[in-house]
Amino acid sequence: AQTVTQSQPEMSVQEAETVTLSCTYDTSENNYYLFWYKQPPSRQMILVIRQEAYKQQNATENRFSVNFQKAAKSFSLKISDSQLGDTAMYFCAFMLANFGNEKLTFGTGTRLTIIP
Amino acid sequence: DSGVTQTPKHLITATGQRVTLRCSPRSGDLSVYWYQQSLDQGLQFLIQYYNGEERAKGNILERFSAQQFPDLHSELNLSSLELGDSALYFCASSESIRDTEAFFGQGTRLTVV
Repeated sequence: AQTVTQSQPEMSVQEAETVTLSCTYDTSENNYYLFWYKQPPSRQMILVIRQEAYKQQNATENRFSVNFQKAAKSFSLKISDSQLGDTAMYFCAFMLANFGNEKLTFGTGTRLTIIP
Repeated sequence: DSGVTQTPKHLITATGQRVTLRCSPRSGDLSVYWYQQSLDQGLQFLIQYYNGEERAKGNILERFSAQQFPDLHSELNLSSLELGDSALYFCASSESIRDTEAFFGQGTRLTVV
């Protein structure tokens, strides 16, 4: 079974600074996807960024980027120039690429607060 | 707005009761997932339907059941409710089985008293 671990329950950072959220996962499979989801106070789950395990290049989406270390099974999220609207819970998630295993396995989340 | 609609948004009910949560997926999406988020926890996968058929099951209790109808909307039925069933229940949908991006509804907050 796959597991996802987020070891930072809470983090805070000053507005405009850079923050990195950690995520590690465990799997014996070679083909999978990794995700970061954001859950603001509205409760909506919003996809922030996605990484295919077969790609060596780290995914980026505007101010969001990941550091994917496949051998170390590590998948951290870096938020640059943080904004007040980035305040939210952030969940790391894993999905196997095998047919018949499309469910997401989530970590327990990191509560990020951006301080004005 | 993700395009996934969940009703009701909030539900308060007593222990032992039965409730039905409803999910309308995005237009054209064939796959529907249900997740449970307990207080300060990550989301736990419950069950997946694809085009009307059950596709995968997670840690779903026997007291819980779901189905997907011909118009692709889905319902999650929770019976003999216990205090521990209080949680946020999310529905997500994706276009196909191989689509890795799931779109989430805003969830139904269930409180069992």
